[in-house]
Amino acid sequence: AQSVSQHNHHVILSEAASLELGCNYSYGGTVNLFWYVQYPGQHLQLLLKYFSGDPLVKGIKGFEAEFIKSKFSFNLRKPSVQWSDTAEYFCAVNDGPGGSSNTGKLIFGQGTTLQVKP
Amino acid sequence: EPEVTQTPSHQVTQMGQEVILRCVPISNHLYFYWYRQILGQKVEFLVSFYNNEISEKSEIFDDQFSVERPDGSNFTLKIRSTKLEDSAMYFCASSGGQGVYGYTFGSGTRLTVV
Repeated sequence: AQSVSQHNHHVILSEAASLELGCNYSYGGTVNLFWYVQYPGQHLQLLLKYFSGDPLVKGIKGFEAEFIKSKFSFNLRKPSVQWSDTAEYFCAVNDGPGGSSNTGKLIFGQGTTLQVKP
Repeated sequence: EPEVTQTPSHQVTQMGQEVILRCVPISNHLYFYWYRQILGQKVEFLVSFYNNEISEKSEIFDDQFSVERPDGSNFTLKIRSTKLEDSAMYFCASSGGQGVYGYTFGSGTRLTVV
């Protein structure tokens, strides 16, 4: 079964620091990869997604992620965080085209809480 | 931007009672989902729904749970006899495609079973 592992459970940074959140998945087939953000009291919002092509994906709010197939990783990065980036970040994966599940079910990591100090 | 709407935002119910969580997906979407997030834990898939039937469900989605699309706009999750461990945030989501390329989540319903 697919699983997603996020290495950092709670990250505390000062404003302007660089951010990298780790995400690894276990699945040998074609996958689609996602990062969602959940601001306090709000719903899950899509930050970025990878389906195919350029493994460096740019998302909203200055975030980017790099898909490294050989490492089964999809780490999220931002060069300079802001206080408003304080939120919980979820990595998620589902089967790509031709996968065993054609329902688009997402498997989520356990989430990383990011706290940015002003 | 189109939204997925969930009501109520917070529901408190007594153990053993039935609850219905309501969702209005984006109007031209065809695939619908329920997920839940127990406090402090990861977001978990419950069920997917397409063409008026369940297309996939998780082990969590036992006989106590059911879903329905009673009309052209609403998508509901019913829990027949709630347990304390059903307390969680429940998210509805919808997708225009198969969801393979991601979808839009609602703001969630926080269910508290007492």
